[in-house]
Amino acid sequence: QSALTQPASVSGSPGQSITISCTGTNSDIGNYNLVSWYQQYPGKAPKLMIYDVTKRPSAVSNRFSGSKSGNTASLTISGLQPEDEADYYCCSYAGSSILIFGGGTKLTVL
Amino acid sequence: QVQLVQSGAEVKKPGSSVKVSCKTSGGTFTNYSFSWVRQAPGEGLVWMGRILPVYGTANYALEFHNRVTLKADISTTTVYIEVNSLRSEDTAMYYCAADPITGAKTQWYFDLWGPGTLVTVS
Repeated sequence: QSALTQPASVSGSPGQSITISCTGTNSDIGNYNLVSWYQQYPGKAPKLMIYDVTKRPSAVSNRFSGSKSGNTASLTISGLQPEDEADYYCCSYAGSSILIFGGGTKLTVL
Repeated sequence: QVQLVQSGAEVKKPGSSVKVSCKTSGGTFTNYSFSWVRQAPGEGLVWMGRILPVYGTANYALEFHNRVTLKADISTTTVYIEVNSLRSEDTAMYYCAADPITGAKTQWYFDLWGPGTLVTVS
């Protein structure tokens, strides 16, 4: 199974909105609504931000939202804040009890 | 609320094996599936496999299925990963992550993560 495709980096200014894409195939993202997104700071464990494509854990800011169209999932962060600067990873179920991650995207807040 | 506590850092020789543990506290151990995710220095997250203690079954990513074994001990609420035939490319942080079982099905997302265990192969 190949990793999902994410842009290596994205950037935005405080207050702006950014979107991180995550492209898979019709065997993973396109076939299951089991996409999740994780935020990771350097030296720290990942943190769940979005699950089941669009759902947000109660402790996660509503500035974070998820969506999917075809084989591509997206994470949107609105009202960008300095503390959003981190690495972001998408993840999708791929059938047969297999999970795959994206390569990760480094978000820089200018 | 379940918390995950992992064993300490390891330094291993190429060709040897390593076993990393992840002990849970709080919550109900058999209400979760546990996955292992590794991250090489400066690289991304890679899912290695998962185990369901309630059924004693495990699934592995294709690239690891020959060298990795996952086990669970319900009596001590601990899961383990063993990696054999270590090579330098196995140098990484190894995370255990918990995935809630709802309606007898795993949900395939991780709302709980251990702090990670650094394995160095040199």
